[in-house]
Amino acid sequence: GQSLEQPSEVTAVEGAIVQINCTYQTSGFYGLSWYQQHDGGAPTFLSYNALDGLEETGRFSSFLSRSDSYGYLLLQELQMKDSASYFCAVTSGGSYIPTFGRGTSLIVHP
Amino acid sequence: NAGVTQTPKFQVLKTGQSMTLQCAQDMNHEYMSWYRQDPGMGLRLIHYSVGAGITDQGEVPNGYNVSRSTTEDFPLRLLSAAPSQTSVYFCASSPRDRGPHGYGYTFGSGTRLTVV
Repeated sequence: GQSLEQPSEVTAVEGAIVQINCTYQTSGFYGLSWYQQHDGGAPTFLSYNALDGLEETGRFSSFLSRSDSYGYLLLQELQMKDSASYFCAVTSGGSYIPTFGRGTSLIVHP
Repeated sequence: NAGVTQTPKFQVLKTGQSMTLQCAQDMNHEYMSWYRQDPGMGLRLIHYSVGAGITDQGEVPNGYNVSRSTTEDFPLRLLSAAPSQTSVYFCASSPRDRGPHGYGYTFGSGTRLTVV
């Protein structure tokens, strides 16, 4: 089966940098994705890593280490609007359908 | 483009009733899936489809049926509603061809279902 582990909650102050970690166990790994979900809203796709290394998109970056079965989402210059839940998701096994972690609630304080 | 459209947005059912949650996408995506979201449990896969006429079970399929007669539509049927099916249901879709964003999924706005 597949399993993903991520912290349940992370807090930070506005303007800071925060890293949300994700470790996974799966076979036939294709890639690791990240999604953001605000309270009452739908998940929205942020990033996807299939190869080792860092992918940068504006204030958000995502990292993958396939050998360590580990990735992280890095959020820079935090803003209040970044307060949300963040989910890592692994795609594997031939179906290309992501399996999600339980999510990390990010709370940004002024 | 409307993206992924789910109806209804809210629904209250009595135990034992059946109903269909509708999902439609206008992006010509091959992959579609249904998730349920419960507090602290993340998103759990119910059923998915990789194309018209092809469906398969996910992690929590019991009590649900799906069909995919067209590329656009992927309805989820609750056969006999139970209180344990109280949840928020999300439909999502993705293109088969892997672009620069890999297999990023587009989600509908969700259906909030309460079974009493």
